Amino acid sequence: QSVLTQPPSASGTPGQRVTISCSGSSSNIGSNSVYWYQQLPETAPKLLIYRNNQRPSGVPDRFSGSKSGTSASLAISGLRSEDEADYYCATWDDSLSGVVFGGGTKLTVL
Amino acid sequence: EVQLVESGGGLVQPGRSLRLSCAASGFSFDEYAMHWVRQAPGKGLEWVSGISWNSGSRGYADSVKGRFTISRDNAKNSLYLQMNSLRPEDTALYYCAKGLGTMIVAAALDYWGQGTLVTVSS
Repeated sequence: QSVLTQPPSASGTPGQRVTISCSGSSSNIGSNSVYWYQQLPETAPKLLIYRNNQRPSGVPDRFSGSKSGTSASLAISGLRSEDEADYYCATWDDSLSGVVFGGGTKLTVL
Repeated sequence: EVQLVESGGGLVQPGRSLRLSCAASGFSFDEYAMHWVRQAPGKGLEWVSGISWNSGSRGYADSVKGRFTISRDNAKNSLYLQMNSLRPEDTALYYCAKGLGTMIVAAALDYWGQGTLVTVSS
C-alpha cells in the first residue's frame, strides 16, 4: 500500500490528452513539492516534472504538472506511442522523514 | 555527461550481507545529495535511503532502518549501501540516483543509474 495513491492504469489514443492523478496528505503533498518520473519498459526512471510543474531541459512541453492541496496531476497532451510507460509521482513525507512514491500508473496508448 | 554506475549486486542467502557501490562521474559529486531507490520484480519504485552532500543527514525507509547503512566517499566520487540481515523481500533492482540539491529533503532525483540486481534466496 503506497503512501501516495495513483490509478494503476490509464489509456488514450494518439493525439488525445490524458491526466494521471496522485493523492496524498498534509504531511507529504500538502507541504512539499511533487515530482513525476517516467519509466519506459526495461529502463531506469527519468525525471519528468520537478517542483510541481517545472520541466527539465529536453522534456517536451506536452508534459505538464500541477498541484492543489494534497493532490497533484500529470497531464500529457498530444499523446504519442512513445509515451507508453509507467509514471510515478513522488514527494517528501514530513512524518516518515523520507521520500514516498505513488504505486505507479501504466499508460497505454491505444 | 552524468554517469552513475552501480555494482555489488548478486545472489545472497537470507540473513547475509551485501555492499552496493555507485561510481559517479560527470558532475561535482560532493555538491549533491544521493539516494538509493529499489524496484522489486514487476513492482513499483521504493525509496530506500538518502544522504546529504556532506553526510550530515541520512534517511532510511522504515523497511530497511536498522539493517541498511548509506555512506559516501566524496574523494572517490562514490556512494555505498551496506545491507545486513537481508530478507527475501529485499530482492530488487537497486538504483543509485543523484539529488537535485544538497539535502535529501526532497524527492528530486534528476539522474539515475541502470541498477544492480540483488536476489535474496536460499
